[in-house]
Amino acid sequence: AQSVAQPEDQVNVAEGNPLTVKCTYSVSGNPYLFWYVQYPNRGLQFLLKYITGDNLVKGSYGFEAEFNKSQTSFHLKKPSALVSDSALYFCAVTDSGAGSYQLTFGKGTKLSVIP
Amino acid sequence: DSGVTQTPKHLITATGQRVTLRCSPRSGDLSVYWYQQSLDQGLQFLIQYYNGEERAKGNILERFSAQQFPDLHSELNLSSLELGDSALYFCASSVDGGSSYEQYFGPGTRLTVT
Repeated sequence: AQSVAQPEDQVNVAEGNPLTVKCTYSVSGNPYLFWYVQYPNRGLQFLLKYITGDNLVKGSYGFEAEFNKSQTSFHLKKPSALVSDSALYFCAVTDSGAGSYQLTFGKGTKLSVIP
Repeated sequence: DSGVTQTPKHLITATGQRVTLRCSPRSGDLSVYWYQQSLDQGLQFLIQYYNGEERAKGNILERFSAQQFPDLHSELNLSSLELGDSALYFCASSVDGGSSYEQYFGPGTRLTVT
């Protein structure tokens, strides 16, 4: 079984400050990890992924995430937040050896960037 | 724009009815996934098709079924609808190979059962 935890329902950050959205995961095998963003009344937009290799992955719109195997974490970060980053963020995991790459999502974290 | 299209965008129907949701994947993607998003359950995987064949099933009710056609578009059929089936239904497509396992989501179909 696979699972994802996003411990914060909401994160508030001032514009220009760094932001972090936390994610921890559990899978039986090796994880493939993803971050998605959802704006109101829109579909999910892919931000970045960890498949293998470098633990620090860079994605769209200046976002990055660090894969930490020992802590089973994949936190999303951005050095300087923009008001336009305000949205709902989802972390997702799939088991690379399971035969299907179906995603298990966390409950989502609402990011509010305050001007 | 993800390249994944879903129709219709909104659907309002009565309990007991049957509806069909349609999804066209990105060009070249063989895998189609269906997900349900609701306030109480969050985002849940329903079913996956790969190149016309069912690959995996998640928390999909027996009243729900899906198929993928030779042109790779997919349909999700929901029958004997209940109030609790009201949700946002997403399809997503993926290459599922190489290093490309990310799924690209359509805009969703918002189903309201009255």
